[in-house]
Amino acid sequence: EAGVVQSPRYKIIEKKQPVAFWCNPISGHNTLYWYLQNLGQGPELLIRYENEEAVDDSQLPKDRFSAERLKGVDSTLKIQPAELGDSAVYLCASSLGLAGRTDTQYFGPGTRLTVL
Amino acid sequence: GQNIDQPTEMTATEGAIVQINCTYQTSGFNGLFWYQQHAGEAPTFLSYNVLDGLEEKGRFSSFLSRSKGYSYLLLKELQMKDSASYLCAVVPGGSYIPTFGRGTSLIVHP
Repeated sequence: EAGVVQSPRYKIIEKKQPVAFWCNPISGHNTLYWYLQNLGQGPELLIRYENEEAVDDSQLPKDRFSAERLKGVDSTLKIQPAELGDSAVYLCASSLGLAGRTDTQYFGPGTRLTVL
Repeated sequence: GQNIDQPTEMTATEGAIVQINCTYQTSGFNGLFWYQQHAGEAPTFLSYNVLDGLEEKGRFSSFLSRSKGYSYLLLKELQMKDSASYLCAVVPGGSYIPTFGRGTSLIVHP
């Protein structure tokens, strides 16, 4: 079974440029998460989707970050414009989405963003 | 909010046993995860505890005490490939989403 797929794996851009990250979750997983991970830190949740609905985006900086999951499968996370402090690893994860239960998240390899 | 505390770094010798502790303070509790993350790679699931006690899975075991807000991950017969970051993640009450600690970087040396 294929795991969570993310692309690109690495991205280097200059500040003020836009950037987009793509995620394909595990087949059959209804819940999709975007996390930000700084060096030496644990992942921090940016946004969570249940199917195509964003149900938790309280930590997403909405002035520059946006996300979508139009058909309830793939998802895109965008930053426009990027700032130096956005340099980090952006992780995507998915889970079955079991109602009323904690279920295990499976992570993709992440996109390492460097903003110059 | 949640407060999750784990040591920043630990070192151990190949073949030895190491215990990585995690303490937490949350409003309610719906479980605790341990993940392993090698440098530059995705976190991978190791264990999930929701009831008190020890869960053993091969060389890795995870323990939980809800009354003490405490968990540990026990790694036996350490191998060089066990060098990685180990993330403790706690699911607070009223939620099904874990909050991650900053991780413990384990270095295994010959």
